[in-house]
Amino acid sequence: AQKVTQAQTEISVVEKEDVTLDCVYETRDTTYYLFWYKQPPSGELVFLIRRNSFDEQNEISGRYSWNFQKSTSSFNFTITASQVVDSAVYFCALSANFGNEKLTFGTGTRLTIIP
Amino acid sequence: ETGVTQTPRHLVMGMTNKKSLKCEQHLGHNAMYWYKQSAKKPLELMFVYNFKEQTENNSVPSRFSPECPNSSHLFLHLHTLQPEDSALYLCASSQGIRGDTQYFGPGTRLTVL
Repeated sequence: AQKVTQAQTEISVVEKEDVTLDCVYETRDTTYYLFWYKQPPSGELVFLIRRNSFDEQNEISGRYSWNFQKSTSSFNFTITASQVVDSAVYFCALSANFGNEKLTFGTGTRLTIIP
Repeated sequence: ETGVTQTPRHLVMGMTNKKSLKCEQHLGHNAMYWYKQSAKKPLELMFVYNFKEQTENNSVPSRFSPECPNSSHLFLHLHTLQPEDSALYLCASSQGIRGDTQYFGPGTRLTVL
């Protein structure tokens, strides 16, 4: 079985602060994929990033960066210089390449950016 | 139209009504999904279709009946629902079913009175 844990239920930061969203995963597979999605108040889940288990290189996209560490089974997401438009619920998800495991989501972290 | 579209965006129905949710993907994908998102609950996978064939039914009650006439369209037929079925229903599509990125539609906000 696979599992994704997002221990932070809600986070509030003041605009322009940096914020890190934590994600810890469990899987028995050696080949797997990790994802982050953003769900703004409108409801649509917006895809942010996909990372395979063989690529531990950190990724940066504008103000967003991701830190993948297999040693700690973590895939953390950092927003630099946060903006009000970053307010949303963020989901981490895991998919194994083999077996019948589908995309498993964490429970999400609600991020509020205070103007 | 691009991406994944869903209609209607909002639906209010009585427990004895019959309604259908529609999902269409314009991405050329082969797999489509229905998810249910209730307040304060994790996303729940309901059904998976791959090349029009149902590959997953996650113990969903029979009052929810999916239909996938082709790889681009997915329906969720609803009948005799319960108030606890009120939720956001999300449709998604992906190229394949293992490890490929799922792209989501905007969802249908369903309220059962």
